[in-house]
Amino acid sequence: EPEVTQTPSHQVTQMGQEVILRCVPISNHLYFYWYRQILGQKVEFLVSFYNNEISEKSEIFDDQFSVERPDGSNFTLKIRSTKLEDSAMYFCASSGSGEQYFGPGTRLTVT
Amino acid sequence: AQKVTQAQTEISVVEKEDVTLDCVYETRDTTYYLFWYKQPPSGELVFLIRRNSFDEQNEISGRYSWNFQKSTSSFNFTITASQVVDSAVYFCALSEARRRDDKIIFGKGTRLHILP
Repeated sequence: EPEVTQTPSHQVTQMGQEVILRCVPISNHLYFYWYRQILGQKVEFLVSFYNNEISEKSEIFDDQFSVERPDGSNFTLKIRSTKLEDSAMYFCASSGSGEQYFGPGTRLTVT
Repeated sequence: AQKVTQAQTEISVVEKEDVTLDCVYETRDTTYYLFWYKQPPSGELVFLIRRNSFDEQNEISGRYSWNFQKSTSSFNFTITASQVVDSAVYFCALSEARRRDDKIIFGKGTRLHILP
């Protein structure tokens, strides 16, 4: 069964550093998403992406965040200058005709 | 505005007991989807069910069942004969179906402990 994959599974970075989280969506899917879950809290929508542009973004998705689909297979989330409060689990998801499939997540720890 | 409320923060039951997780939602749309996800200690989100707002039939899948009541905006989840492996955080979620890429709005989750 096709699945969404994410790398790395765990990333530790220092405050102020740039970090790129990578996702490989399911191959025939057209819609891509990033969600965030701070430890012990609910999963929150960050951004959706379709046709090489952002469809919708939340208030969390400020200028420090960007997304890209650089090569037709990967879908990346970049955080330009990480803060302590960016520590969270980041989930990528993709969808074809409605149902979103989630990846296993990348745990980001900012120290 | 969309909102999902899971009033039960944490529930503990003894193995083999039945347990119901409550979910109440708010939306202005007439067409929407409701979901349940399981998040085990390993952290991934495991999809359990998606229900269209036009389909109010209750669903049963093995030990799991879901009760969708549009009149009370509720989508409750029952585990029958619970097992220790059911211990996890369970999230109810909502997506408005206006577009194909509508975001999913999650509730805060209910942490379920099944005691041996």
